[in-house]
Amino acid sequence: GAVVSQHPSRVICKSGTSVKIECRSLDFQATTMFWYRQFPKQSLMLMATSNEGSKATYEQGVEKDKFLINHASLTLSTLTVTSAHPEDSSFYICSARPMDRDYGYTFGSGTRLTVV
Amino acid sequence: QQQVKQSPQSLIVQKGGISIINCAYENTAFDYFPWYQQFPGKGPALLIAIRPDVSEKKEGRFTISFNKSAKQFSLHIMDSQPGDSATYFCAASRGRGSTLGRLYFGRGTQLTVWP
Repeated sequence: GAVVSQHPSRVICKSGTSVKIECRSLDFQATTMFWYRQFPKQSLMLMATSNEGSKATYEQGVEKDKFLINHASLTLSTLTVTSAHPEDSSFYICSARPMDRDYGYTFGSGTRLTVV
Repeated sequence: QQQVKQSPQSLIVQKGGISIINCAYENTAFDYFPWYQQFPGKGPALLIAIRPDVSEKKEGRFTISFNKSAKQFSLHIMDSQPGDSATYFCAASRGRGSTLGRLYFGRGTQLTVWP
């Protein structure tokens, strides 16, 4: 149980375009989801906390207008990278916490974004 | 400020040996300490977790040792196998269930197990 599906697994986009990444909890509901960014051989860096039905809370230094987060339902959160540039190329990972279980966090399989 | 400090950064162990990764934390409010395993190009997967009311938790070849007074916890991988080669992250948080807060991650340990 507690499966998180993240899509797409990898995407290549042109500089200046926008990319949407989806994070779905398949067998549980999650009021809170988290979005991370990970550079090669580094730890996970929390970008924002996404709460269902309300605005996301962004970590210091993360541009809200560039990384748009929407958590429209208890099973879906999306991250949109707007006007992507090569420096936005990274590995993006979401995680979710089941509402009704003391199960900790489950992570998605990640999305490799390459901006060319 | 790094909330959770992890060492070593990299570890090379021979097949069948014991891998030991250590973490330390400062915030005494933390009461949930998970370990995650991550393979290249994949998201982290929960390996094992412990709460401070116990000093040790074992699941198969994986054991967490927890020292509340020293604010340290460690992961021991017994009989290490080449398939264990991955990056391991310790983390800490507080709360449980729906009130579980955000995770604070260590910097990670790249484990290589030689056959």
